[in-house]
Amino acid sequence: GQQLNQSPQSMFIQEGEDVSMNCTSSSIFNTWLWYKQDPGEGPVLLIALYKAGELTSNGRLTAQFGITRKDSFLNISASIPSDVGIYFCAGQTGTYKYIFGTGTRLKVLA
Amino acid sequence: DVKVTQSSRYLVKRTGEKVFLECVQDMDHENMFWYRQDPGLGLRLIYFSYDVKMKEKGDIPEGYSVSREKKERFSLILESASTNQTSMYLCASRDRGTGGYTFGSGTRLTVV
Repeated sequence: GQQLNQSPQSMFIQEGEDVSMNCTSSSIFNTWLWYKQDPGEGPVLLIALYKAGELTSNGRLTAQFGITRKDSFLNISASIPSDVGIYFCAGQTGTYKYIFGTGTRLKVLA
Repeated sequence: DVKVTQSSRYLVKRTGEKVFLECVQDMDHENMFWYRQDPGLGLRLIYFSYDVKMKEKGDIPEGYSVSREKKERFSLILESASTNQTSMYLCASRDRGTGGYTFGSGTRLTVV
């Protein structure tokens, strides 16, 4: 079946550092989504990408839809303590459905 | 803002009990979803509903059923709870504008 490989699985970084994470798949997707989940809460949509090559920003976050349509990247610049959480990518597999990556757990050291 | 509300944040149930997890959304979305989230496995789709009284199995429907009698409400039912159904359950509805999901805060279910 379809799978999304998300890496890294977890990362510890110093406050102020930039962060990069990515999702790859053997399947092509028409839409990529990036979510953040705070501890004890549901995921919240950060960025949606609809076109290959698209680069979209949301504050300190920037995400890119890979040219091959099989991957996507999320960067966080100048990390702060409230960036801590789990980041999920999701690729659209059907009209209504998405498949989710296993998440990147981010911890920021002040 | 779309709000997706799950009726319970924490539940503890006994093996064999019938369990109802309720989810309500307030933005007239047609599509609603139930996921479970387990460490290392990410989010896995249990069931979804693309409209009232419509339902489709997701990737892991065994041991679950759903009900969508009204557009705003999507219920997940564990017919006979088992310990391997201990998990975080997330409800979501789909925004036609972004195509993305809005999630509820989750229900952490423990089956003992």
